[in-house]
Amino acid sequence: KNQVEQSPQSLIILEGKNCTLQCNYTVSPFSNLRWYKQDTGRGPVSLTIMTFSENTKSNGRYTATLDADTKQSSLHITASQLSDSASYICVVSLNAGNMLTFGGGTRLMVKP
Amino acid sequence: DVKVTQSSRYLVKRTGEKVFLECVQDMDHENMFWYRQDPGLGLRLIYFSYDVKMKEKGDIPEGYSVSREKKERFSLILESASTNQTSMYLCASSSGRNTGELFFGEGSRLTVL
Repeated sequence: KNQVEQSPQSLIILEGKNCTLQCNYTVSPFSNLRWYKQDTGRGPVSLTIMTFSENTKSNGRYTATLDADTKQSSLHITASQLSDSASYICVVSLNAGNMLTFGGGTRLMVKP
Repeated sequence: DVKVTQSSRYLVKRTGEKVFLECVQDMDHENMFWYRQDPGLGLRLIYFSYDVKMKEKGDIPEGYSVSREKKERFSLILESASTNQTSMYLCASSSGRNTGELFFGEGSRLTVL
């Protein structure tokens, strides 16, 4: 069964600190992996998308990495800000059509 | 700026009522999706559509139906709302057969009493 597991489920950090969120998947055949940010009560917004051949992709203070061999991805947030408080969702796409598998998300809280 | 607009941010309905959730996108995308999001369960696909008048069941279609009469509009219908359909409903769109970036609406939070 295709699955996407995220860890931790929730995380609290102090403003200015770095953090790393994890995503492990069993989806096969793999097409691409995306990270979305979802503010409370809003729809998810895309942060990064990586294909099988990409190892890393950055979007400002957000850097996503992908290891297709171990089927792991991480999202690293540098110098966190209060506005980073949100849920971060890992989504993996099958190598055909529009089928997506969503992770359960990591809820990040950045405190002053 | 790309936009997916959901007609209602918050709705409160009674058990047995018919509920319409409307979604409009202005990006000329072929694909449109309806998800529901519940704590601890993540996003689950209800229905999706690759083209006008076309629809496909997702993972949890029971109790729902959809309509896509125009390319830009995808409606989710709850024929007879039940309390277990209380949830956040998210509409999304994308272009192409192999999904590119998904663009989500702001969500519609439905409470069924």
